Order: sequence, then structure tokens, then C-alpha cells
Amino acid sequence: GQQLNQSPQSMFIQEGEDVSMNCTSSSIFNTWLWYKQDPGEGPVLLIALYKAGELTSNGRLTAQFGITRKDSFLNISASIPSDVGIYFCAGRYGANSKLTFGKGITLSVRP
Amino acid sequence: GAVVSQHPSWVICKSGTSVKIECRSLDFQATTMFWYRQFPKQSLMLMATSNEGSKATYEQGVEKDKFLINHASLTLSTLTVTSAHPEDSSFYICSASIVSAETQYFGPGTRLLVL
Repeated sequence: GQQLNQSPQSMFIQEGEDVSMNCTSSSIFNTWLWYKQDPGEGPVLLIALYKAGELTSNGRLTAQFGITRKDSFLNISASIPSDVGIYFCAGRYGANSKLTFGKGITLSVRP
Repeated sequence: GAVVSQHPSWVICKSGTSVKIECRSLDFQATTMFWYRQFPKQSLMLMATSNEGSKATYEQGVEKDKFLINHASLTLSTLTVTSAHPEDSSFYICSASIVSAETQYFGPGTRLLVL
């Protein structure tokens, strides 16, 4: 079945640094979504991408839908302590198909 | 916009009892709702897809008689864990899709502990 690869499992950065997370797939997707999950909470949608090559920003966050439709990245600039959490990428092939999730990357930010 | 709520946020029950979890879309209509289960330090595992007015579609390995799903309206879906056992203890999260959109919005989750 479809799988999304996110690595590494954990990332540790210093407050103020930029960080980039990548998500790759063996199959193509028509929608890429990036979510952040805090402990004990549901995932919160950060950015949604619907078109190959699309580059979208949301505050300090920027995400891109890869041209091949098999990858996406999320960039966080000038990190702050509240950026700590688990970042999941998710892909979807069609409007009626289910989301496929990556395993998530746990981000830690040192003050 | 696109707010999804879940109730209760946490529940503790005795083994053998049934537990109902509600998922509501507060400011939009959701033709499709999804139920996920998440174990500690793991990703979300889709249990079933629920469409308003029709039977839910369960993922392979998920017992439909144990996890009853009812999508009674465009703003409410319920998941009932019947005859719960300790191994059913988990974090259950629902999500909802806005009509004609492809993005899923998640609820805050319900933590179930079965003693």
C-alpha cells in the first residue's frame, strides 16, 4: 500500500533556528497536508497543498508540493519554543480517498 | 472556522461496558467523518470512514460489531466501543471533511482507559 516516509523520527534545534522537514512517497498524491500534534491533542492543520509545484506560507511556516507529486517539505523559520510537537505529513490521491499519514517527526526546540 | 469537537475528552470505564464517543463539526457540514486510533508515539491509524446516512466503511482488521459508528447528521458522528477491554485503551480521534473539500479537520481526541 501507499506509504509516506518521514525522517528522522526526532529533531532537536536551537530557538531561532530554521528547520526543514521532508516527506516522500513511492506513489503520487494529489493533495499534501501538514499537521502538528501537541501531546494529548488532535492534529491541527498547518498547511494544505493541492497543486504540484505549489508553495504556500502560513506565518513562519512554508510548505511545497513537489513537482513529481511524490514529495513535500515543510520549513519552519525562526523557531520558537511553542513549535515543539509532532509534525505529520499526509497525502491523499483523490477526493474520496483516505489520507495516508507519515509516522511523524518530533521536534524539540532548545531555548 | 472548521472546528471539530469531541466528547468526552477522556473516559475511564470498567471492562465489559460500552462507551460512546461523539464527534461534531461545529461550524460546517461534514458529509464524511473519519475515526482514527492512535497509540503512544505512533501515527494515526484509520479505523473507519463514515458517510452521513449510510453505513460506515471499516478498515481491514477493525471489527465493525465492536466499534459501532453512526453518522446521523451532517454534523454528528458517534463511535461506540462495545464490551470494552483493556486492549481497547487508546486515544481515539475523529476528523471531518467539508463538503466538496479535500482537507480533513481533526477533533481534540478522546482518551479511553479500560480497567
